[in-house]
Amino acid sequence: KNQVEQSPQSLIILEGKNCTLQCNYTVSPFSNLRWYKQDTGRGPVSLTIMTFSENTKSNGRYTATLDADTKQSSLHITASQLSDSASYICVVSAKAAGNKLTFGGGTRVLVKP
Amino acid sequence: DTGVSQDPRHKITKRGQNVTFRCDPISEHNRLYWYRQTLGQGPEFLTYFQNEAQLEKSRLLSDRFSAERPKGSFSTLEIQRTEQGDSAMYLCASSPQAGVGTEAFFGQGTRLTVV
Repeated sequence: KNQVEQSPQSLIILEGKNCTLQCNYTVSPFSNLRWYKQDTGRGPVSLTIMTFSENTKSNGRYTATLDADTKQSSLHITASQLSDSASYICVVSAKAAGNKLTFGGGTRVLVKP
Repeated sequence: DTGVSQDPRHKITKRGQNVTFRCDPISEHNRLYWYRQTLGQGPEFLTYFQNEAQLEKSRLLSDRFSAERPKGSFSTLEIQRTEQGDSAMYLCASSPQAGVGTEAFFGQGTRLTVV
């Protein structure tokens, strides 16, 4: 069964600090992995998308890594800001089944001043 | 706004009533997805369309749920005889023809509350 597991479920960090979120997946055959940011009550917004051959991709203060061999990804947030408070969802796409997206449960990040 | 549009944004209904939600995808996108998200959880796949063809339905989509995309453009999701467990955010996403780096864009969702 295709699954995406994220850790931690939630975390609290102080403004200006860094944090790293983890994502493990069993989706196969792998097509791509995305990290989305979802503000409360709103739809997810894409941060990064990574294919099999990409190890690292950055989007401003967000840096995603991918190890396709171990089927692990991480999202690193640098110098956190209050606006980073949101849920971060790891989403993996399988080549079969119409590129259907399998979502992780998300990590809820709260940045405190 | 040329993004994915969902209507209504919020819906409160009494248990047993029928509700219908609409999703207007980005105009060139031929794939359309419906997801359900309960509080504190990630979205769960419900169904998806390639143009007007419904290609896959999740087992989450019981007989009370039906989705259509009659002309391959907008889509509707209908829930009949709503139950309190149907309370959730219903998200719609669209994407171009599938490719390795294909991006999916989400609407703002319809929040359903069944009382």
